[in-house]
Amino acid sequence: EDKVVQSPLSLVVHEGDTVTLNCSYEVTNFRSLLWYKQEKKAPTFLFMLTSSGIEKKSGRLSSILDKKELFSILNITATQTGDSAVYLCAARGDTGGFKTIFGAGTRLFVKA
Amino acid sequence: DTAVSQTPKYLVTQMGNDKSIKCEQNLGHDTMYWYKQDSKKFLKIMFSYNNKELIINETVPNRFSPKSPDKAHLNLHINSLELGDSAVYFCASSQEIPGTRPREQYFGPGTRLTVT
Repeated sequence: EDKVVQSPLSLVVHEGDTVTLNCSYEVTNFRSLLWYKQEKKAPTFLFMLTSSGIEKKSGRLSSILDKKELFSILNITATQTGDSAVYLCAARGDTGGFKTIFGAGTRLFVKA
Repeated sequence: DTAVSQTPKYLVTQMGNDKSIKCEQNLGHDTMYWYKQDSKKFLKIMFSYNNKELIINETVPNRFSPKSPDKAHLNLHINSLELGDSAVYFCASSQEIPGTRPREQYFGPGTRLTVT
């Protein structure tokens, strides 16, 4: 069965810390891995990764995919209180139409 | 300006009732989705429509019936509501073309359904 597992489930850090969020996946005919940030309401898109070893960056956030180990990480450097959110990892396969499997999320809390 | 909108934002109803949630996207996307997010924040796909055609129908009770009158709208009707239906329901859309690379999804603000 397809699945996405994220770790840790929750994390508390201080402003300025660097955090690494982990995501492992098992998806039939893997096509892409996505990261979303969910604050109070809707998940908002951060990154989509399709190739191994190519880092995607957006400000203090970066992510990389390892298709051999079926793994992705999301890094956040110099964390701020506004980074507090649930970070969702999702994987897309090539079966079942446009099915996206989401992990349970990592709840990040950044203390001032 | 809202890209993906849902109504209502909150819905409180009693067991056994029938209710609908509406979703509209103005992004010109071809594919729309319904997700259910439970109290543990697990986001699970329920349905996907591409150009008004049903693509994904997960193991969802047949009390849930999606309807797509056009590709900008995907509504969700729920019959005989049960306590376990309480959750946040998210609509999403993406510009997907079958056989090409996947695209990110844009989510609506969610509808918090509480069944008492």
